[in-house]
Amino acid sequence: AQTVTQSQPEMSVQEAETVTLSCTYDTSESDYYLFWYKQPPSRQMILVIRQEAYKQQNATENRFSVNFQKAAKSFSLKISDSQLGDAAMYFCAYRSGGPGNQFYFGTGTSLTVIP
Amino acid sequence: GAGVSQSPSNKVTEKGKDVELRCDPISGHTALYWYRQSLGQGLEFLIYFQGNSAPDKSGLPSDRFSAERTGGSVSTLTIQRTQQEDSAVYLCASTPELAGGLETQYFGPGTRLLVL
Repeated sequence: AQTVTQSQPEMSVQEAETVTLSCTYDTSESDYYLFWYKQPPSRQMILVIRQEAYKQQNATENRFSVNFQKAAKSFSLKISDSQLGDAAMYFCAYRSGGPGNQFYFGTGTSLTVIP
Repeated sequence: GAGVSQSPSNKVTEKGKDVELRCDPISGHTALYWYRQSLGQGLEFLIYFQGNSAPDKSGLPSDRFSAERTGGSVSTLTIQRTQQEDSAVYLCASTPELAGGLETQYFGPGTRLLVL
């Protein structure tokens, strides 16, 4: 089974600053997808950003961007201009290409935003 | 509905009792997942339903856990003879399962189970 590792259990960032959350994964597959999900205290998991492995261009969604290094099997999330509402647990997830496959999640990084 | 709903939001039960957790996926979504999230942990895959195919039960931790999905819509996760280590948040997610694997999972708010 694929494994997803988030080595930073907790991170903090000053409001308006930039923070990077790390994620590495282990796979022998070439076709897969990567996701970052956010889980605020309300427990509602929300998709932040996603990336197809065959795309070399890093995905970007407003203040959120990824640094996808396929050879290194790394998929870090950069949050620019951090806001208080960004405080949450962030989970990295992996899914094999094609339907009918599981999602594999990391253990999460708890992000605190300091006013 | 507008999103994935789960009930109850919270459940407190005594050790040894059976519990049923319900998930209503987004209408039209063919795939449904159950996860367990223990305190301070990531999401542990439990079971996956896709259309009329046999479910992937590879994540169920013991035979006390079972799940069904009736009519390709609502799903019920049943835990028999609950143990204290079953205490966790149980999350349900659904996807439209179009061609390819980029479909986003839409999560419900979860059911927090506490076994005393």
